[in-house]
Amino acid sequence: KQEVTQIPAALSVPEGENLVLNCSFTDSAIYNLQWFRQDPGKGLTSLLLIQSSQREQTSGRLNASLDKSSGRSTLYIAASQPGDSATYLCAVTGGYQKVTFGIGTKLQVIP
Amino acid sequence: DGGITQSPKYLFRKEGQNVTLSCEQNLNHDAMYWYRQDPGQGLRLIYYSQIVNDFQKGDIAEGYSVSREKKESFPLTVTSAQKNPTAFYLCASSNRHTGPYEQYFGPGTRLTVT
Repeated sequence: KQEVTQIPAALSVPEGENLVLNCSFTDSAIYNLQWFRQDPGKGLTSLLLIQSSQREQTSGRLNASLDKSSGRSTLYIAASQPGDSATYLCAVTGGYQKVTFGIGTKLQVIP
Repeated sequence: DGGITQSPKYLFRKEGQNVTLSCEQNLNHDAMYWYRQDPGQGLRLIYYSQIVNDFQKGDIAEGYSVSREKKESFPLTVTSAQKNPTAFYLCASSNRHTGPYEQYFGPGTRLTVT
């Protein structure tokens, strides 16, 4: 059974700092890995999707990497801003397009 | 605008009543999903459907039922058999036929049962 772990559970950083969020998964047989952002009381917004054949994806200040063989992904956020404060969720898609989510990392960026 | 809509945003029910949550998408996606989110836990899959008139149980299907009569719609009924129905419910869809199977989410419905 696929398990997804996100570390740390919570993170507080001053504005402007670069930061890394970690995600690990137990079964490397995946189609893709997605990073989502969730604001309180809202749905999930897709940030980046990395297909199993890819090593990384970039969007603006965000960069996500994937090491499928070791079961790890990182989300790098450059020059953090208060508007980046949210919960970040990692999810992997496996067989039958079943998606398994981590619990998330709650990020607070302090002005 | 393409997307997923869920209604209502907030729903209140008395214990013992069934309640149906709506999910509609205009993304022309074949696959649709229902998840439940509780504080301190990851999203858990309730039901999913890969095609019209077909659906499969997820990890926590007990006390829930679904139907998929139209491609665009995947309503979820929370029955009185569900022991702890109070939660945040999220609907999602993805394109089943071609990769990369990216999931798109609706805004969610917060259900409170008292």
